[in-house]
Amino acid sequence: AQRVTQPEKLLSVFKGAPVELKCNYSYSGSPELFWYVQYSRQRLQLLLRHISRESIKGFTADLNKGETSFHLKKPFAQEEDSAMYYCALSGFRGAGGTSYGKLTFGQGTILTVHP
Amino acid sequence: DVKVTQSSRYLVKRTGEKVFLECVQDMDHENMFWYRQDPGLGLRLIYFSYDVKMKEKGDIPEGYSVSREKKERFSLILESASTNQTSMYLCASSRVGGLGYTFGSGTRLTVV
Repeated sequence: AQRVTQPEKLLSVFKGAPVELKCNYSYSGSPELFWYVQYSRQRLQLLLRHISRESIKGFTADLNKGETSFHLKKPFAQEEDSAMYYCALSGFRGAGGTSYGKLTFGQGTILTVHP
Repeated sequence: DVKVTQSSRYLVKRTGEKVFLECVQDMDHENMFWYRQDPGLGLRLIYFSYDVKMKEKGDIPEGYSVSREKKERFSLILESASTNQTSMYLCASSRVGGLGYTFGSGTRLTVV
């Protein structure tokens, strides 16, 4: 079974402060990890994925297989970063290794960046 | 620029009614998904489909069914709505072997 845990329901920081949103996962195989974000009154959208090793809007996330973690980090938070953030894992493989892309999501963390 | 469209933004239904939630995508994606989103519980998968007329149960399929007669359309059906099905319902699609979903804007269903 695969599981994603985001231990913080709420996280508040001040503008310019570093922010880290925690994500831990449980999966026996080699997972694909994602971060999704939902801004107020907008649809859920992909923020970043670990295989791309990219930085989006200043956010980065490193997959730590030893600690089974995929924490999202930003060195200097901005007010526009205030949103709901979900960590997600894809580990489902069909016949022949085809990925059906089934994602398991964490409980979500609401980030509030104060001015 | 809308790629995944959910037919209703808000719905109010009575207990025991049969409810249809519709989702259409225009990206020719093979995979489609229905999730419900609840505070503190995150997104939970109800059903998904990886091809026309194919469906697989997710983590919480009880009380729901789905239909996929055409590639672009994936319907979620509540056979007999109950108050514990009051929730935000999200549809998403993805390409086979692709990474990442495209989500619809959601349908907030209230069952009274």
